[in-house]
Amino acid sequence: NAGVTQTPKFRILKIGQSMTLQCTQDMNHNYMYWYRQDPGMGLKLIYYSVGAGITDKGEVPNGYNVSRSTTEDFPLRLELAAPSQTSVYFCASSYKGRGTEAFFGQGTRLTVV
Amino acid sequence: DQQVKQNSPSLSVQEGRISILNCDYTNSMFDYFLWYKKYPAEGPTFLISISSIKDKNEDGRFTVFLNKSAKHLSLHIVPSQPGDSAVYFCAASAWDNYGQNFVFGPGTRLSVLP
Repeated sequence: NAGVTQTPKFRILKIGQSMTLQCTQDMNHNYMYWYRQDPGMGLKLIYYSVGAGITDKGEVPNGYNVSRSTTEDFPLRLELAAPSQTSVYFCASSYKGRGTEAFFGQGTRLTVV
Repeated sequence: DQQVKQNSPSLSVQEGRISILNCDYTNSMFDYFLWYKKYPAEGPTFLISISSIKDKNEDGRFTVFLNKSAKHLSLHIVPSQPGDSAVYFCAASAWDNYGQNFVFGPGTRLSVLP
């Protein structure tokens, strides 16, 4: 049981480049989330999904896009990377229902230069 | 406007003593609270949680206390061990039309000294 798997672990992008951060979970969770963590800050929600085909914006969605075509996968797309997107990105998933915890992936450290 | 606050960025405790990590929240709609532990280069891992209908939840060395009237929760670790050294995030969740969302505090770095 792998849990939540994120790839890649590290990436350096040049300003203006695009990339997709991959996230997959094998726990059959309905809910999936993307967070970013900046130094000294908590995790800020970028986008989330409550099921296949349903996504919605979180607190900091600008510059990102997501899709959820299957229950397992929730990729995060960065278009036109900017230095402000330098951060550590975490994908998470949780069961459908109230009062359940989220399970996190290992994170992707992204640097935009 | 931070909805979940952890006012102590860091805390140092001697091995064997009690560690107390604090968290305050502002949104009275939060009904579930969680603590996560994070080691460097790893994702956060769930530690313990508490529902808003309770005031205490205990799991081994970890106890979470909730004071709803003060909008305050705390995590007690007794006895503290060097392996507890990590960043601890407080999180709160509320239920909306779409489901459950989590709001995280900025974290407290705990150092347990041998």
